Amino acid sequence: GEDVEQSLFLSVREGDSSVINCTYTDSSSTYLYWYKQEPGAGLQLLTYIFSNMDMKQDQRLTVLLNKKDKHLSLRIADTQTGDSAIYFCAEASNYQLIWGAGTKLIIKP
Amino acid sequence: DADVTQTPRNRITKTGKRIMLECSQTKGHDRMYWYRQDPGLGLRLIYYSFDVKDINKGEISDGYSVSRQAQAKFSLSLESAIPNQTALYFCATSDQLGTDTDTQYFGPGTRLTVL
Repeated sequence: GEDVEQSLFLSVREGDSSVINCTYTDSSSTYLYWYKQEPGAGLQLLTYIFSNMDMKQDQRLTVLLNKKDKHLSLRIADTQTGDSAIYFCAEASNYQLIWGAGTKLIIKP
Repeated sequence: DADVTQTPRNRITKTGKRIMLECSQTKGHDRMYWYRQDPGLGLRLIYYSFDVKDINKGEISDGYSVSRQAQAKFSLSLESAIPNQTALYFCATSDQLGTDTDTQYFGPGTRLTVL
C-alpha cells in the first residue's frame, strides 16, 4: 500500500531554521499536506501544496516538493518556542489521506 | 464553538467493557473519519464515512464498529475493549475530496485507557 515516511524527531536552536522532511510513494497524489499537533491538542492544517507546484511560501513557512524523488519538505524560518509540536506530512491517495508518523520538533534555547 | 467536538475527552475503562466515543460536527461536511494515534505510529484510519449511508473500513477496523446517525454525528464503538486499544482517538471531517483541498478538520481527541 501507499506509505509516507518522516523522521520522528528534529532538534533545532531557537532562531534557526527548521527543515522537516517527508517521502511518499503515491506519484498520483494531487495534494500533499502539513499538519501541526500541539501538545494535548488535535491536528490543525498548517499548509498544503498542489502536485503541480514546486514551492509554496506562507510567511515563515516554505514547502518544497520534488515530484521526481517524491520528497516533500517544510521549512520554518526563525523557529520559535511556539513552534514546538509534532508535524505530520500527509498525501491524498485514493480518496483518503495517508499519514506519516509525525516529526516532533524540539526547540533548544 | 468548536466545529468538531468529541465526547468524552478522557475515559478509563476495564478490559471487556463496551465503550462508545462520539463525534459531532457543525461544518456541514459529508465525510467523517475515525483515527487512532499511537506514539511513533502516527495516525491510523479505523473507519470512514462519505455520507450517512456509506461506511467503510480503514486500515485497522478489527475490534471497532461505527454508526453514522446523521450527517453531523459519527460514533465509534469498542464492543469489548482490550488494553492494546489504549490510544488517543481523533474524529475528523472533510468536504469533497478532489476539489480545492482535501483538508481534514480534527476534533480535540479522546484519550482512552483500557486497564
